[in-house]
Amino acid sequence: DIQMTQSPSSMSASLGDRVTITCRASQDIGNYLSWFQQKPGKSPRRMIYGATNLAAGVPSRFSGSRSGSDYSLTISSLESEDMAIYYCLQSIQYPYTFGAGTKLELK
Amino acid sequence: QVQLQQSGTELVKPASSVKISCKASGYTFTSNYMHWIRQQPGNGLEWIGWIYPGNGNTKYNQKFDGKATLTADKSSSTAYMQLSSLTSEDSAVYFCARSRGSYYVMDAWGQGASVTVSS
Repeated sequence: DIQMTQSPSSMSASLGDRVTITCRASQDIGNYLSWFQQKPGKSPRRMIYGATNLAAGVPSRFSGSRSGSDYSLTISSLESEDMAIYYCLQSIQYPYTFGAGTKLELK
Repeated sequence: QVQLQQSGTELVKPASSVKISCKASGYTFTSNYMHWIRQQPGNGLEWIGWIYPGNGNTKYNQKFDGKATLTADKSSSTAYMQLSSLTSEDSAVYFCARSRGSYYVMDAWGQGASVTVSS
């Protein structure tokens, strides 16, 4: 199975900060990488697909990038509504695998 | 708009089975994949498998072989997941999520169905 190593597992940041979360894939996954946001008691919401494509309705402060086997989700200017757990997902090989999640909290 | 409406909370006994539903609306049910994802209490997300309602084809995470069975009813645009031989380990929230393919994956999610296994 492809392992998705997500870091950090948790972080705290201030409003207006630039925040970056990273997933490293254990095998080549091309651009078959998505990012999801999950707030407490809610379903996950897709934020990024194809490593760099912003999903419909997602604010432009969110962006995705790739450098080799490292994939990043960046929030350019943190807002209070962004506090959540973020997961990456690879969908190139079965079984699809998620990262362990990054809990983003307000400092 | 795309909506996935899941069945409600289930409290079931060990060794029994449960069937969760996911009713789709707002898109062509038979032309999209329906994935199922597990989230155990306080844990992350785990992919169970998908069904393609157009032809009934399925793909499972080997971990859930024999545990989960995915079906779909085209007439009611509803996907189902049956979980069998339940143990406390199966207590979790189960989500359905639509995909148009492996690249355009999981763009809409159901609200989740909670299953608690307890005697």
